[in-house]
Amino acid sequence: GAGVSQSPSNKVTEKGKDVELRCDPISGHTALYWYRQRLGQGLEFLIYFQGNSAPDKSGLPSDRFSAERTGESVSTLTIQRTQQEDSAVYLCASSPNTVEPQHFGDGTRLSIL
Amino acid sequence: GDSVTQMEGPVTLSEEAFLTINCTYTATGYPSLFWYVQYPGEGLQLLLKATKADDKGSNKGFEATYRKETTSFHLEKGSVQVSDSAVYFCALRGSGNTGKLIFGQGTTLQVKP
Repeated sequence: GAGVSQSPSNKVTEKGKDVELRCDPISGHTALYWYRQRLGQGLEFLIYFQGNSAPDKSGLPSDRFSAERTGESVSTLTIQRTQQEDSAVYLCASSPNTVEPQHFGDGTRLSIL
Repeated sequence: GDSVTQMEGPVTLSEEAFLTINCTYTATGYPSLFWYVQYPGEGLQLLLKATKADDKGSNKGFEATYRKETTSFHLEKGSVQVSDSAVYFCALRGSGNTGKLIFGQGTTLQVKP
């Protein structure tokens, strides 16, 4: 079946612009996660959704970052007034619940000029 | 807080050599432990997991044993192949109820023919 889909796969933008990243989880997966992977580093947790609510936003690095999920499906991660340190690969993962292993998308590579 | 430490790479081996990638963790409670793999140009995939002490996860010839006494989950393979060249990530899922993963920084493995 279809896996986790993320778009765009690559995004290049100028410093100060806003960007929106999209994640389509596997159908029926109620748990959805966003992670950030900086070059040469491991993944950092950003936010967790259960259905349409976000009980854990503890990893969002600043108030420039926000995320929402609608219809217990698609999620968008928005970064406002982008900075160069926001350059990274942003990965989305989904799971049927918080116990089953997470399935990852291919990520969005974000480059801030 | 919870954390994962992996041996630094890159690790370069000849085909058929024995592989060990060390992983140690710090966590409260009883975390579940995972190894994920990222092949060149592909997304992150679950390689194996263990959910309680002394469990051994295995897949594709790779093994890792959950050692609570040494807080370790080292990845091993008896005979590596060129196709095993990838980045390997150790991760834990803590005892909280969100299911979020804490990742190590990743270890790059290069296998030469």
